[in-house]
Amino acid sequence: DAGVIQSPRHEVTEMGQEVTLRCKPISGHDYLFWYRQTMMRGLELLIYFNNNVPIDDSGMPEDRFSAKMPNASFSTLKIQPSEPRDSAVYFCASSLVTGFYNEQFFGPGTRLTVL
Amino acid sequence: AQSVTQPDIHITVSEGASLELRCNYSYGATPYLFWYVQSPGQGLQLLLKYFSGDTLVQGIKGFEAEFKRSQSSFNLRKPSVHWSDAAEYFCAVVYNNNDMRFGAGTRLTVKP
Repeated sequence: DAGVIQSPRHEVTEMGQEVTLRCKPISGHDYLFWYRQTMMRGLELLIYFNNNVPIDDSGMPEDRFSAKMPNASFSTLKIQPSEPRDSAVYFCASSLVTGFYNEQFFGPGTRLTVL
Repeated sequence: AQSVTQPDIHITVSEGASLELRCNYSYGATPYLFWYVQSPGQGLQLLLKYFSGDTLVQGIKGFEAEFKRSQSSFNLRKPSVHWSDAAEYFCAVVYNNNDMRFGAGTRLTVKP
């Protein structure tokens, strides 16, 4: 398996633009997690899905952020409109049935810069 | 409130020297404990985890960690560090089955 795939790896956009980050989890994994990593706040869990259903989105910072998982092999994290403070590295991770107790496999991340 | 603390932001050790990275947590019960490593430009990779049983757990790449309930600690150790161990290390804790917190991370530099 190729591991968790994220695209794009780097994204530079201007304030106010819509940004869409994409993730393909490892095949057969039931859980998918979106994290954000910044120097100030460290690694934060934004939202996670179980069997394509959002379970907990309490970490999503604002209504500008939304995430979807239309099928077991694809998820998106959208920011609309983007702001400079959204600049961060966004990670997607997936894991097997037991979710938090199992190893999470992380993608390489998307480095987002909002000018 | 639950929290995870990694007191050392940055540690430098010489190649071949021993290493200990500290992690403390606050929680009334025994949480589920993890150590992850992040190499530059990469995602996180699991080194080891502790749920119950033997308080000394072995992980990949020669790492081990010891859970000490009395000290609310889960320190990561390696007897002899290699240059390839230079990376950022994160302690993580799962509370209440679905609340996962990461520490701020400790950046390890290895001197030749």
